[in-house]
Amino acid sequence: GAGVSQSPSNKVTEKGKDVELRCDPISGHTALYWYRQSLGQGLEFLIYFQGNSAPDKSGLPSDRFSAERTGGSVSTLTIQRTQQEDSAVYLCASSSGTGETQYFGPGTRLLVL
Amino acid sequence: AQSVTQLDSQVPVFEEAPVELRCNYSSSVSVYLFWYVQYPNQGLQLLLKYLSGSTLVKGINGFEAEFNKSQTSFHLRKPSVHISDTAEYFCAVKKAAGNKLTFGGGTRVLVKP
Repeated sequence: GAGVSQSPSNKVTEKGKDVELRCDPISGHTALYWYRQSLGQGLEFLIYFQGNSAPDKSGLPSDRFSAERTGGSVSTLTIQRTQQEDSAVYLCASSSGTGETQYFGPGTRLLVL
Repeated sequence: AQSVTQLDSQVPVFEEAPVELRCNYSSSVSVYLFWYVQYPNQGLQLLLKYLSGSTLVKGINGFEAEFNKSQTSFHLRKPSVHISDTAEYFCAVKKAAGNKLTFGGGTRVLVKP
């Protein structure tokens, strides 16, 4: 079946602009996660959604980062006023209600000039 | 909070030779353990996981790992590598009652002919 998909695959933006990254989880998966992979910090958790519960935003690095999940499916990660240090690969993952195994998408490579 | 240490950042190995990638973790609570592989410009693919039961876990592509609670380790092994195993490998832990994955820094495996 279809896996986790993310768009765009690559995004180049100028410092100060806002960007939106999209994630389509595996159909039927109730949990959705965002991670960031950067050279300096490795793989870091950003935010987690589970069903209709309040999201766990504990990994968001600043208030410029926000995410939403509409209708319990698609999620959008928004970065406002991008900075060069935001350059990274943003990975989305989803899991079933048991939440044990997370399946990852191919990522969005963000470059802030 | 839990943490994961992958002791080798790079491991060069000849084709058909064995390889071991080391992973140590620290946590004050029960954890689940995972190994993921990342091929160039791709997302993370699950190799294997330990949730409970037998401490020797077999995964895809001929990989296996052994959970050692006293050593707090979860080393990954393959008896004979192929060129196609060239990739970056990530060890990760998750609290048994939690959601987010905490990753190690990754080990880059380069298989030489």
